[in-house]
Amino acid sequence: AQKVTQAQTEISVVEKEDVTLDCVYETRDTTYYLFWYKQPPSGELVFLIRRNSFDEQNEISGRYSWNFQKSTSSFNFTITASQVVDSAVYFCALSGVYTGGFKTIFGAGTRLFVKA
Amino acid sequence: DGGITQSPKYLFRKEGQNVTLSCEQNLNHDAMYWYRQDPGQGLRLIYYSQIVNDFQKGDIAEGYSVSREKKESFPLTVTSAQKNPTAFYLCASSILASGSNEQFFGPGTRLTVL
Repeated sequence: AQKVTQAQTEISVVEKEDVTLDCVYETRDTTYYLFWYKQPPSGELVFLIRRNSFDEQNEISGRYSWNFQKSTSSFNFTITASQVVDSAVYFCALSGVYTGGFKTIFGAGTRLFVKA
Repeated sequence: DGGITQSPKYLFRKEGQNVTLSCEQNLNHDAMYWYRQDPGQGLRLIYYSQIVNDFQKGDIAEGYSVSREKKESFPLTVTSAQKNPTAFYLCASSILASGSNEQFFGPGTRLTVL
């Protein structure tokens, strides 16, 4: 089955804390793509990162970093020194041949609250 | 500015009425998508279109209909056959209908059935 699990429903941190959002996926594909999107209170999802299954290099972009581990089928997202503006719902997503190639499966999302 | 617009932002409908949600993009993307989001849940695909005059059912197409007469536009009609239409609806587009492409999203329409 093709599936994306975000076990953390809500996380609350205080500003400047580091926080990691977990994402575990299941797929039969050998080639697949993983994504993270941010949904601020305004509602529209904003693309953050794409990773293909052959690229296990971790990536850092400013305060954001992503850890992709095929051995554990995980694609975790860490925010360093969190800020109030990071408060949002974060979605992990998967696409590949068995999801229809053109379709993307989204996890249920993790709501992050960053308190000042 | 390139992007996706959805209108209206809030929509109220009486039971038994059809209602059409608008989605327009000026990104010159071939593929467009409609998702439904319910509280505490991820996005579920209603319909998608890879090219003008062509569209495919997603996972929860029952009670919905779409058209794709122009590349820029992909309106969604929520029919009276949709049993539980109250939800947040998101339109998206991507360069191609390929799993490797990220999607760009509109601001969404919140539909409430009274």
